[in-house]
Amino acid sequence: DTAVSQTPKYLVTQMGNDKSIKCEQNLGHDTMYWYKQDSKKFLKIMFSYNNKELIINETVPNRFSPKSPDKAHLNLHINSLELGDSAVYFCASSPRGRAGEQFFGPGTRLTVL
Amino acid sequence: QKEVEQNSGPLSVPEGAIASLNCTYSDRGSQSFFWYRQYSGKSPELIMSIYSNGDKEDGRFTAQLNKASQYVSLLIRDSQPSDSATYLCAVVFSGGYNKLIFGAGTRLAVHP
Repeated sequence: DTAVSQTPKYLVTQMGNDKSIKCEQNLGHDTMYWYKQDSKKFLKIMFSYNNKELIINETVPNRFSPKSPDKAHLNLHINSLELGDSAVYFCASSPRGRAGEQFFGPGTRLTVL
Repeated sequence: QKEVEQNSGPLSVPEGAIASLNCTYSDRGSQSFFWYRQYSGKSPELIMSIYSNGDKEDGRFTAQLNKASQYVSLLIRDSQPSDSATYLCAVVFSGGYNKLIFGAGTRLAVHP
């Protein structure tokens, strides 16, 4: 059983397009996260939701908009894609109050041409 | 000052040796510390957590914490080629909502 799943696994698109990445966890966790890992492999948090409430919103361009329809799902929509958005995006989840114990999805490799 | 600092490596060790990975952090109020392993092309996975000063052992892995020096380390005994990966130090920063901050990672290469 996949614990944290993401779709799609790969996303290749043109500059200026709008795209979405979906994430689902079946671990019963209350908290979910989006991370960006750039070409230098630095993993940086973007957003965190706790039971559908946005609790962490890092300095991210407002072209990025997360949405959590329920506590098992966290989606990421990106408008007007730019070259610099090319990266691997990871979704993760953790039990309530245990932010250090995160389970990561397989990642979505986004390439903007 | 970077929040969580690690030497990017690569750290190259022969099979069977002890690999020592180090990390420093800037938030003196942090109480929770973690090591994640990330194989090339894969997602990070949690391998160790430590909350108190001293050592914590789990199989071939030992995490060490010194809060006064704001220093965390990971020792891997009897290193195997399968341990070759990037090791990410992560710290839950105090203040507001708990936020896990990752270091840039140390790439470990274990050669036969």
